[in-house]
Amino acid sequence: GQSLEQPSEVTAVEGAIVQINCTYQTSGFYGLSWYQQHDGGAPTFLSYNALDGLEETGRFSSFLSRSDSYGYLLLQELQMKDSASYFCAVRALLTGRRALTFGSGTRLQVQP
Amino acid sequence: EAGVAQSPRYKIIEKRQSVAFWCNPISGHATLYWYQQILGQGPKLLIQFQNNGVVDDSQLPKDRFSAERLKGVDSTLKIQPAKLEDSAVYLCASDVTGTTEAFFGQGTRLTVV
Repeated sequence: GQSLEQPSEVTAVEGAIVQINCTYQTSGFYGLSWYQQHDGGAPTFLSYNALDGLEETGRFSSFLSRSDSYGYLLLQELQMKDSASYFCAVRALLTGRRALTFGSGTRLQVQP
Repeated sequence: EAGVAQSPRYKIIEKRQSVAFWCNPISGHATLYWYQQILGQGPKLLIQFQNNGVVDDSQLPKDRFSAERLKGVDSTLKIQPAKLEDSAVYLCASDVTGTTEAFFGQGTRLTVV
């Protein structure tokens, strides 16, 4: 099975940089994904790391280290609208069973 | 492109009653998922369909939950009878095999009283 650990809450100020960590235990997975979810909204895809290293998408970057069973999401130039919950997730290496297993989520509060 | 549609958005029922949720995935997406998200937690898979066949229902409480996707498009999830601990948001998602992004609906917020 898979389990993913994230900090429950992070607070930062507008314009700052914040890093949300994700450590995992899994028997095998395709890659590490990140999703954003505003209160009452749908989870939306942010980023995916298939290989070790850094992936950059605008203000968001994501990093994966399979040897350390660790990844993180980096948010730069924080804006108030970035206040949301962020989830790391993996898909298992089981034929056909492609469902995402999510971490418990990190609630980001951006303060003025 | 239209997103994943779910209805109703909210539902309040008494324990032991039954309830059904509906999902229409993105056109052309063969894979459909139902997730349960309890407040403060990440989504947890209930069932995965590939077209109209069940791929994974290992985490579905089959004594009270059922789901179907008869024509390989729309899907319904039913709970009968509901328990207090079923209070959660029920999310439907769809995607295409071989891609990395799953698309989620807004979910149905169920409150069991």
